[in-house]
Amino acid sequence: EIVLTQSPGTLSLSPGERVTLSCRASQSVSSTFFAWYQQKLGQAPRLLIYGSSSRATGIPDRFSGSGSGTDFTLTINRLEPEDFAVYYCQQYGSSPWTFGQGTRVEIK
Amino acid sequence: QVQLVQSGAEVKQPGASLKVSCKTSGYIFTNYYISWVRQAPGQGLEWMGWISAYNGQTDFARKVQGRVTLTTDASTSTAYLELRSLRSDDTAIYYCARVDAGIAEYWGQGTLVTVSS
Repeated sequence: EIVLTQSPGTLSLSPGERVTLSCRASQSVSSTFFAWYQQKLGQAPRLLIYGSSSRATGIPDRFSGSGSGTDFTLTINRLEPEDFAVYYCQQYGSSPWTFGQGTRVEIK
Repeated sequence: QVQLVQSGAEVKQPGASLKVSCKTSGYIFTNYYISWVRQAPGQGLEWMGWISAYNGQTDFARKVQGRVTLTTDASTSTAYLELRSLRSDDTAIYYCARVDAGIAEYWGQGTLVTVSS
């Protein structure tokens, strides 16, 4: 099973700041099968990025994803108030599909 | 528009069985997979499994394999999750999601399941 480890666990930031979230895999993951989700309290997850760098429908271009092999990154340029949430990475190239434990982005 | 609407909250006793439904609309049901993900209170996302709505092929997480059954009914465009021998650590919100090449873009609203005596 591929274990995904996200860092940091929590980030305290102000609106307008740039944030970089990290996700490290225990073994190599094809970038074709890597995604990022955003989840707000009381809501279902929302797909942000798939294929490690492709934005899902309707996702603003301040969100970008990159990475390959075992290291993947989600970057949010100019945090907006609605971006404060929990972010999860996921790999879906190897069974079982797995999620990272999440990174909380909170308002400073 | 694509919609996934799940059945309502449930309270179950330990050892009982659970069946959650996920009624879909707005797309051709048999062209996609349905994935199930759960989230224990205050915890992260846990992938449980997926089913092809085309041919019924399935894949499961090892943690629930043997206790879970995924089915679909193409006549009603509905997917079902059945979980048996419920334990307290099965208490969670259960989500269904439409999957295309592994990508879960559309999600149900979630079903809260509480396992308690």
